[in-house]
Amino acid sequence: DSGVTQTPKHLITATGQRVTLRCSPRSGDLSVYWYQQSLDQGLQFLIQYYNGEERAKGNILERFSAQQFPDLHSELNLSSLELGDSALYFCASSVGLRVNEQFFGPGTRLTVL
Amino acid sequence: QKEVEQDPGPLSVPEGAIVSLNCTYSNSAFQYFMWYRQYSRKGPELLMYTYSSGNKEDGRFTAQVDKSSKYISLFIRDSQPSDSATYLCAMSLQSGGSNYKLTFGKGTLLTVNP
Repeated sequence: DSGVTQTPKHLITATGQRVTLRCSPRSGDLSVYWYQQSLDQGLQFLIQYYNGEERAKGNILERFSAQQFPDLHSELNLSSLELGDSALYFCASSVGLRVNEQFFGPGTRLTVL
Repeated sequence: QKEVEQDPGPLSVPEGAIVSLNCTYSNSAFQYFMWYRQYSRKGPELLMYTYSSGNKEDGRFTAQVDKSSKYISLFIRDSQPSDSATYLCAMSLQSGGSNYKLTFGKGTLLTVNP
């Protein structure tokens, strides 16, 4: 158990809908990272927050947005969902900003029908 | 050309075998190299972390980086059924800062048969 929690575990929704994925980092970790994992693309970095501020952006679609709250939990919002958004979404956290210190959560499996 | 290429396998070996997992990459600016293990229905967990070229050993695991060939490897000695998982390589330009992001290979599925 990495100490990173994600809810929900599974999410099934329809095209065009909007969903929110939630992540609680390990105690004391200030950085939160979001990743998307699909069979086609593998694990892709989406976005990073550090202590409430956006720090780095990867291949995140404009339909997707994220934020980190004062209590350091983070939410990833996915809107106007398409079939191709079906994937595993992982959150990771770290104390600082170093690449070798990321601990991954168990993921949220999103299915768009 | 993808930045990071990794043979998806699947790779099936008998217990006790030496396993070799590999990735190639195209961006010569990558400096940090990592191997993650991902069990089915779980998040990735960091196994090994190497900076620049050279070898690093941790128990039954050895990571090698050859920057001149843009090639990294993970060796598993005395493989166990509990090693059965997907192994992902990952790379980064920097350790931290704004250019730190991880670029992953697609992963190799390994099965170790008892």
